[in-house]
Amino acid sequence: DIQMTQSPSSVSASVGDRVTITCRASQGIGSWLAWYQQKPGKAPKLLIYGASSLQSGVPSRFSGSGSGTHFTLTISSLQPEDFATYYCQQAHSLFTFGPGTKVEIK
Amino acid sequence: EVQLVESGGGLIQPGGSLRLSCAVSGFTVSSNYVSWVRQAPGKGLEWISVIYSGGSTDYADSVKGRFTISRDTSKNTLYLQMSSLRAEDTALYYCAGRGPEYTFGSWGRGTLVTVSS
Repeated sequence: DIQMTQSPSSVSASVGDRVTITCRASQGIGSWLAWYQQKPGKAPKLLIYGASSLQSGVPSRFSGSGSGTHFTLTISSLQPEDFATYYCQQAHSLFTFGPGTKVEIK
Repeated sequence: EVQLVESGGGLIQPGGSLRLSCAVSGFTVSSNYVSWVRQAPGKGLEWISVIYSGGSTDYADSVKGRFTISRDTSKNTLYLQMSSLRAEDTALYYCAGRGPEYTFGSWGRGTLVTVSS
C-alpha cells in the first residue's frame, strides 16, 4: 500500500502570505496526485489534479508541482476564504489521502 | 448539474449491518468510477471503496471482507453494504467520483454512521 504524509500538519498564516504545503508518497506515483480543500462542515473540493493541473473554476493563486514522491501545493497570496484543511490524494495504486494540513489564521 | 445524495446512515450497534445509498444525477454510474470515502469525527479523509465503469471493485484493507460496493444502473445509484460494524467505522460517509485522472471532482454531503451500543 502507498502511504502519504503531509507537512506541516498545521500552519498559521496571514492574508497575503505565500503558503506551501508538502506531500510525500511512500513510493513513486508519477504525477497521480491531487489536492483538495475542505472547510468545516463541507465536502472536500478538488483543486489540483495530475500534480499540477488546476481544476476548472479554481483560482490561479493555487498551484501544484512535483512528481515521483515529492509534491507541493502553493497558495501564492492567501485569501480569507482559503483558511481550511488541505489534503493530498494519490491515484497511482488505488487511492490514499494524506493526513491533512490545516491552514489557520495568524 | 452533477449531484450525489447519500442516505441510509444512522445509529447501529457493533456487529450490525447497514446499507448506504448514493443517488447520482448529472452523470451515469455505469460510465464512471464512483467511490465511498469516509471521515471519522475530527479526523481526515479515508478512501474505502470504488466501483469502476466496467463493474470491477476495490476496497481498503480496513473494510475488505466486511463492506460491499455495488450499483444499480437503472436507478443510477451506488450502494455500500456494511456488515460486522465496529466502533471505528463511525464516520461521515461520502460518495464521490467523476474527476479527471482518478480524482474525486464531485462529492455528496455525506451520511453519518454511528456504531455504538
